[in-house]
Amino acid sequence: EVKLVESGGGLVQPGQSLRLSCVASGFTFSTFEMHWVRQAPGKGLEWVSYISARGDIKYYPDSVKGRFTISRDNAKNSLSLQMDSLRAEDTAIYYCAREGLTSELDHWGQGTLVTVSS
Amino acid sequence: EIVLTQSPATLSLSPGERATLSCRASQNIGTFLAWYQHKPGHAPRLLIYDATIRATGIPARFSGSGSGTDFTLTISSLEPEDFAVYYCQQRGDWPPYTFGQGTKLEIK
Repeated sequence: EVKLVESGGGLVQPGQSLRLSCVASGFTFSTFEMHWVRQAPGKGLEWVSYISARGDIKYYPDSVKGRFTISRDNAKNSLSLQMDSLRAEDTAIYYCAREGLTSELDHWGQGTLVTVSS
Repeated sequence: EIVLTQSPATLSLSPGERATLSCRASQNIGTFLAWYQHKPGHAPRLLIYDATIRATGIPARFSGSGSGTDFTLTISSLEPEDFAVYYCQQRGDWPPYTFGQGTKLEIK
């Protein structure tokens, strides 16, 4: 069974940093591309970042570019999201998601809540 | 950036009725469209990919159609567990991946 478990969320002040983790199991993690997607309170889903299977290609939307860094450790079946210079508008539930063979997001974690507030 | 516009924003129906949800892309994306179901407190669930292909384990009452710029998710006969928010998502031209704003399917 494919399983994705996020952790690392919490309450931080604007301008601070936070690192999210996602541990994968039930599949060969090193062969799949991965994403982070978030949902702000009362809002829809927003794509946050992408990383290739080998970790050599990364993409971000303009809203987080330069502040967020996605990375992975294939030896530990782990995906991370380093979030710096956090803003109130980054408050959201953050999901890690696996990209399937035809680029759909076929498995998602339960999410971890990040709250940015003074 | 491709913009996806979903309609209606909210759809009020009763169990047993047919639901038709629309997603329109701002540019031609071929059939590179997926549909997801999302319930509060749960992980989003992939329903349909490549516009028409049901994901593993998805009941046959869910079907997708369309190509180019106009897409439809149809639920043939609503079950109580189908009431949720539904999102479309494109991979026709990325990055960025983009989602529609969602359609809330509520019980009438």
